[in-house]
This record gives sequence, structure tokens and C-alpha cells, in this order.
Amino acid sequence: EAQVTQNPRYLITVTGKKLTVTCSQNMNHEYMSWYRQDPGLGLRQIYYSMNVEVTDKGDVPEGYKVSRKEKRNFPLILESPSPNQTSLYFCASSPRTPDTQYFGPGTRLTVL
Amino acid sequence: AQSVTQLDSHVSVSEGTPVLLRCNYSSSYSPSLFWYVQHPNKGLQLLLKYTSAATLVKGINGFEAEFKKSETSFHLTKPSAHMSDAAEYFCVVSDLPGAGSYQLTFGKGTKLSVIP
Repeated sequence: EAQVTQNPRYLITVTGKKLTVTCSQNMNHEYMSWYRQDPGLGLRQIYYSMNVEVTDKGDVPEGYKVSRKEKRNFPLILESPSPNQTSLYFCASSPRTPDTQYFGPGTRLTVL
Repeated sequence: AQSVTQLDSHVSVSEGTPVLLRCNYSSSYSPSLFWYVQHPNKGLQLLLKYTSAATLVKGINGFEAEFKKSETSFHLTKPSAHMSDAAEYFCVVSDLPGAGSYQLTFGKGTKLSVIP
């Protein structure tokens, strides 16, 4: 089944404790992206990647890192999480852009 | 630089009546435009997309949208609302490749309520 998977789905952590949210797609898509969703703000793009080893900043990259060493994986790294990074995070992929984005199920992150 | 404005944060309609969700965009180049739907506690699903072909775009579940360059609008419509249409809808803009950016910009969303 074609899908985008994210892990974990739910995470509660404390300020400053490094964490990684994984994202994987099995559709051989070139474009992958991370978004955060906050009430009243819609989705905001954090980082995107056009292909392996090619990444670029979105609207809200501060406090986040990404890497794209393999085509299928695009992990989101929070080196030192802070409470303002509490949010719902979505990973998405598409064959290329602009094109249909296929979204993962979301990761709800709480930073205490 | 690109941006998108969804003119209503909340729209309420009666079942069986028309739906209109409004979206205006700003783009330096010829944009691609999308509408996505998010049902409660679910991920996002594509409703329809415009990528410089026909200006009237038909999507899933009876939705359609018309690209109007002169008005910089991409409003989403449906002739008759169904209870299952209750969800949040997002308008999305992306400049075409060659604009120097492959960024996608989402609107803040319109929550659609359908009254029985």
C-alpha cells in the first residue's frame, strides 16, 4: 500500500531533550516536506527536500533540522526542543512539485 | 513571494444548500493552486488542483474551483452540501518551478459546518 508513515504518533518530552521524528514514504517520490499545524495558523512549511541531499527552508525552519540521505526517508530533528514547538507535525511527499502532496497521519508533540 | 488568504475562518451552511469557500492568492509567477480537506483528527487529502490547464477544475465529492487570474482568486464550490462535508479546508499556492523556490504556502483554513 502506498503510504507515508511517521513515528512516533504521539510524543511528550521535556525542554532541551533532543528528539527525532521519522518520516518514510514507499512511493519513490522526489519531494518531501515537513509542516506544523497550529490552531488558527493552518499548516506552515518547516523544511522541504527536492531530492536526496537537497533540502531547503520553508516558512518556519528555526529550531529544526532535517536530512535526506535516502530518497524514502526524511527525518525531522529537534536538537533542543522548547515549549513553543508543541504542535501537530505532518510529513508529506509528492512525485515532484507542484503536485499532489500525500500526507502522513501526523505526530502530536508536546514539549513541557 | 507567494501568499494565500482564506477569507472566512468559519462557514456554516444547511445540508442541501450550496457551499462557497473563498481563497485569494498572491504569486509572482503563474501559480499552481490546490484545495485540501482535513476531517477531524485525520490527515489531509487532496480535493482538487489547478496547474495551468483548464481554469474550471473538478475535484472529488462534487467539489469544483475556478481559477480567476484577473481576481487572483481560487474559490471552492459545491452545489449541495452533505453532512460528510463538515471539515476544515485549506487553499494552497505554489509558484511554478523556475521561480527559484519549491515552497508551498497554506492558507489558515476554513472550517465548514453543515447543519442538518
